[in-house]
Amino acid sequence: DGGITQSPKYLFRKEGQNVTLSCEQNLNHDAMYWYRQDPGQGLRLIYYSQIVNDFQKGDIAEGYSVSREKKESFPLTVTSAQKNPTAFYLCATLGPGVREPTNEKLFFGSGTQLSVL
Amino acid sequence: AQTVTQSQPEMSVQEAETVTLSCTYDTSENNYYLFWYKQPPSRQMILVIRQEAYKQQNATENRFSVNFQKAAKSFSLKISDSQLGDTAMYFCAFIDAGNMLTFGGGTRLMVKP
Repeated sequence: DGGITQSPKYLFRKEGQNVTLSCEQNLNHDAMYWYRQDPGQGLRLIYYSQIVNDFQKGDIAEGYSVSREKKESFPLTVTSAQKNPTAFYLCATLGPGVREPTNEKLFFGSGTQLSVL
Repeated sequence: AQTVTQSQPEMSVQEAETVTLSCTYDTSENNYYLFWYKQPPSRQMILVIRQEAYKQQNATENRFSVNFQKAAKSFSLKISDSQLGDTAMYFCAFIDAGNMLTFGGGTRLMVKP
């Protein structure tokens, strides 16, 4: 089945450690997004990518980094510079085409809960 | 930058009654998409309904309908015949022509038996 896979489901980070959250999709979608959700709050955009080898900062990019070396993959690294990383992280993809405001279909992964040890 | 505002952090409704969740947005664009998403305790995002800005007719999906007022930049969600399973967080979302996807802060809806 086509879809988005986020892993791991739960992740623990030690002080000063970088951790990477995985987001893989086989939907052949160009646009991919990373959101952070704090308890009882909305979704805030961290980074998004509209095409391979290109990505843009969202509203809360500080302390995070991403790469988009392959269309299928958009990993998010939470660096040690992010002092309050505990949150739920959601990955999303948008199809079918970039800058085509027709027939957009938005797909979400099942999320990763990141906690600090 | 686009902004999406949900002014009701929490709402409650009796089972079988009707409730309306509000959403306003700010944009200078003319072509965009609006969505309502439901997030139950499982935290999986579930599409409730979507509206294309170029369509004047309000979208409807079974018990869910929207009141889209483009000039007022308003996009409210009406849930009719509320069911216990409708209890969840509801998010309004906006996609512009550049595929920038923005969410509102959410409304927590509680359906009471």
